[in-house]
Amino acid sequence: GESVGLHLPTLSVQEGDNSIINCAYSNSASDYFIWYKQESGKGPQFIIDIRSNMDKRQGQRVTVLLNKTVKHLSLQIAATQPGDSAVYFCAEQVNAGKSTFGDGTTLTVKP
Amino acid sequence: ETGVTQSPTHLIKTRGQQVTLRCSSQSGHNTVSWYQQALGQGPQFIFQYYREEENGRGNFPPRFSGLQFPNYSSELNVNALELDDSALYLCASSPSGGRRTEAFFGQGTRLTVV
Repeated sequence: GESVGLHLPTLSVQEGDNSIINCAYSNSASDYFIWYKQESGKGPQFIIDIRSNMDKRQGQRVTVLLNKTVKHLSLQIAATQPGDSAVYFCAEQVNAGKSTFGDGTTLTVKP
Repeated sequence: ETGVTQSPTHLIKTRGQQVTLRCSSQSGHNTVSWYQQALGQGPQFIFQYYREEENGRGNFPPRFSGLQFPNYSSELNVNALELDDSALYLCASSPSGGRRTEAFFGQGTRLTVV
């Protein structure tokens, strides 16, 4: 069945350090993998996505890596800032709007 | 802000009652998806509406139903509420013809069933 999971429920980093959030997935048939950020009291916010035929994609301060061999996805945040503190979810997508989410990693950035 | 608005923001209902949650999608978006997010968990897909028709459903019982209107706004209805229905209900709208992964979430409706 479909499932998307994250390796660690919590991650604490020092401001300015790089953060790496990991995710394992099980459905090899997904077309896209997406990272969302959810701040307290808000809905998930799209960060970056990667198509299944790619292994790396870069955005502003973020990089997503996809390793299809071991079904692993990671989100790297460069120079982590206090505003990056939130819950991060990886999700796999069948089509627009229909995503299967993991349970999230809570990132805490210490000043 | 995403331009997706949900109402109400908070709601308390009694077990066995019925509830209707509302979502106004972002202008130009004709696809609306609903998710249930239990505390401490990721959102779970309930169903999606595209041009007023249901376009896929997750593993939720028939007492969860929905509607989409000609202006693409949407409702989620839950009958015979159970305590486990207590959760944050999220609506996401997507444009037609846009990037495949574009989905803009509202702030959610926090439903508490007592």
